[in-house]
Amino acid sequence: GEDVEQSLFLSVREGDSSVINCTYTDSSSTYLYWYKQEPGAGLQLLTYIFSNMDMKQDQRLTVLLNKKDKHLSLRIADTQTGDSAIYFCAENVLTGGGNKLTFGTGTQLKVEL
Amino acid sequence: DAGVTQSPTHLIKTRGQQVTLRCSPKSGHDTVSWYQQALGQGPQFIFQYYEEEERQRGNFPDRFSGHQFPNYSSELNVNALLLGDSALYLCASSLARGLNEKLFFGSGTQLSVL
Repeated sequence: GEDVEQSLFLSVREGDSSVINCTYTDSSSTYLYWYKQEPGAGLQLLTYIFSNMDMKQDQRLTVLLNKKDKHLSLRIADTQTGDSAIYFCAENVLTGGGNKLTFGTGTQLKVEL
Repeated sequence: DAGVTQSPTHLIKTRGQQVTLRCSPKSGHDTVSWYQQALGQGPQFIFQYYEEEERQRGNFPDRFSGHQFPNYSSELNVNALLLGDSALYLCASSLARGLNEKLFFGSGTQLSVL
């Protein structure tokens, strides 16, 4: 079945690293994604990782994937106030009709000065 | 290059009414997906359109229907509105290539049902 879970809230100080965690249940996931949503806006794709990889780095973002435990994390280095937003992980499960994304409930990241 | 555009941005309806939401995909994209995002929740997949046909559907009743036009733009229709249909409706476009479904989202239509 499809179920994606995230912790609801994370607070960090500016300049520190943030780690947002996600667990998923469908072992047939092909790609996993991280999206960012700012107030009043749609979702912005931050990064993604293919399911046979265990790490991907993209500037300040590092994605770690533990496929055995079905655990995904997003690390943001040198977190800035502009990083304050809701972060969603999503899994892409290939179905008979094509791809569809299942999103988690989102983690609210608050960056304090 | 315009991204995904949705209209209207806000809408207020009453129970039992019908509503149509519109979406223009990002230039070059051929696939449109619709998601419902209730307050404090993640987006829930409604359906996806490709080549003017519904390619797959999430767990939503038949009151939710859609259409894709030859220019790839799309509409979402909801009949017999319920209070629980109040949500942010997000349109996302993508290019139908392989397994990597990189979605580009619009800013959404906030629907309030009174």
